[in-house]
Amino acid sequence: EPEVTQTPSHQVTQMGQEVILRCVPISNHLYFYWYRQILGQKVEFLVSFYNNEISEKSEIFDDQFSVERPDGSNFTLKIRSTKLEDSAMYFCASSELVRGMDTEAFFGQGTRLTVV
Amino acid sequence: AQSVSQHNHHVILSEAASLELGCNYSYGGTVNLFWYVQYPGQHLQLLLKYFSGDPLVKGIKGFEAEFIKSKFSFNLRKPSVQWSDTAEYFCAVRGDDKIIFGKGTRLHILP
Repeated sequence: EPEVTQTPSHQVTQMGQEVILRCVPISNHLYFYWYRQILGQKVEFLVSFYNNEISEKSEIFDDQFSVERPDGSNFTLKIRSTKLEDSAMYFCASSELVRGMDTEAFFGQGTRLTVV
Repeated sequence: AQSVSQHNHHVILSEAASLELGCNYSYGGTVNLFWYVQYPGQHLQLLLKYFSGDPLVKGIKGFEAEFIKSKFSFNLRKPSVQWSDTAEYFCAVRGDDKIIFGKGTRLHILP
């Protein structure tokens, strides 16, 4: 069964450093998402991406964050200057249809980001 | 914008007990509804989904949920839980492009 893959599974970084989290969505999917889950808290929407541009973003997704689809398969989340409060599990997801309705989103295994 | 509320943060049950986890959502238009499960140390997995049609939907592992439009609810049920159902359960709604999750319910099943 096709799946969303994320690398690395765990990333430790120093405060102030830049990190790039990588995702390979399911190949025929058109809609991509990033979510994060701070330990013990709910899963929060960060951003959705379609047709090489951001479709929607939350208030969490400030200027520190950016997303990119650098080639036909990868979808990346960059955090420019990490803060301690960026420590969380980051989930990538993808879905098939254009507007996303009537289709499920498939989630990757997540990247646990620890900022020290 | 849509929102989701889950009534119970932490539920403890004995094996073979029946389960019902409450979920209410807020959105003015057509919605897609989901329940996801997250087993300890694992990623989110889809339990079941409602798009349209029969409001009683059946998912994996014996779970089911009923969409009651008039109550804006989508409660998750299982007649007899097992120890392996210990996990966190998230109700989620899509009313536009994004899926919004509830805060989650931690379910702990006593053997």
